[in-house]
Amino acid sequence: GAVVSQHPSWVICKSGTSVKIECRSLDFQATTMFWYRQFPKQSLMLMATSNEGSKATYEQGVEKDKFLINHASLTLSTLTVTSAHPEDSSFYICSAREKRGQSYGYTFGSGTRLTVV
Amino acid sequence: LAKTTQPISMDSYEGQEVNITCSHNNIATNDYITWYQQFPSQGPRFIIQGYKTKVTNEVASLFIPADRKSSTLSLPRVSLSDTAVYYCLVGASYNQGGKLIFGQGTELSVKP
Repeated sequence: GAVVSQHPSWVICKSGTSVKIECRSLDFQATTMFWYRQFPKQSLMLMATSNEGSKATYEQGVEKDKFLINHASLTLSTLTVTSAHPEDSSFYICSAREKRGQSYGYTFGSGTRLTVV
Repeated sequence: LAKTTQPISMDSYEGQEVNITCSHNNIATNDYITWYQQFPSQGPRFIIQGYKTKVTNEVASLFIPADRKSSTLSLPRVSLSDTAVYYCLVGASYNQGGKLIFGQGTELSVKP
């Protein structure tokens, strides 16, 4: 089945530094990937839609300059949290979309726990 | 996108059948109903998807009445490992390739 690898699984960084999270589709090409953020005891909140070879589309209220998304290939999307602060500490999850015949399938990564100290 | 309403939490015991109902009164003609499972500190995992009537796979069944305004995820004989959050999603994303929007989910706790 479709597999999405997300790396790192957890990261601790100092306030003011930047952190990059990678999302790879291992056995399929994903022209579109999605990035979510999840706070404790809350649901997944969609942050942005990442399209291969073009600019990401951000959801309302998400700062595009703070959460930089790059989708340079059909199997890799990256999310960079720039100048991270403690309030950015969260669980970040990516999802890759795959065309399957007349419909689509969505596979999620295992998530990245970001802690900013 | 159709709004969904699920119970916030449910408790069960090992070996019981668990039914989680999701209300989606504004479901559109093209919308599918999909359920995901999420364990702590992991990404969601697809469980089952349906459009109408009943769908069954190796892990669950999905019951959808004729008016499609609700759906019920049925987990037969749950075990401790079924403790997770279950999300009901309604939309046409699976045939249109759009974004998946998650509601609050149901936190299922299975006790021994």
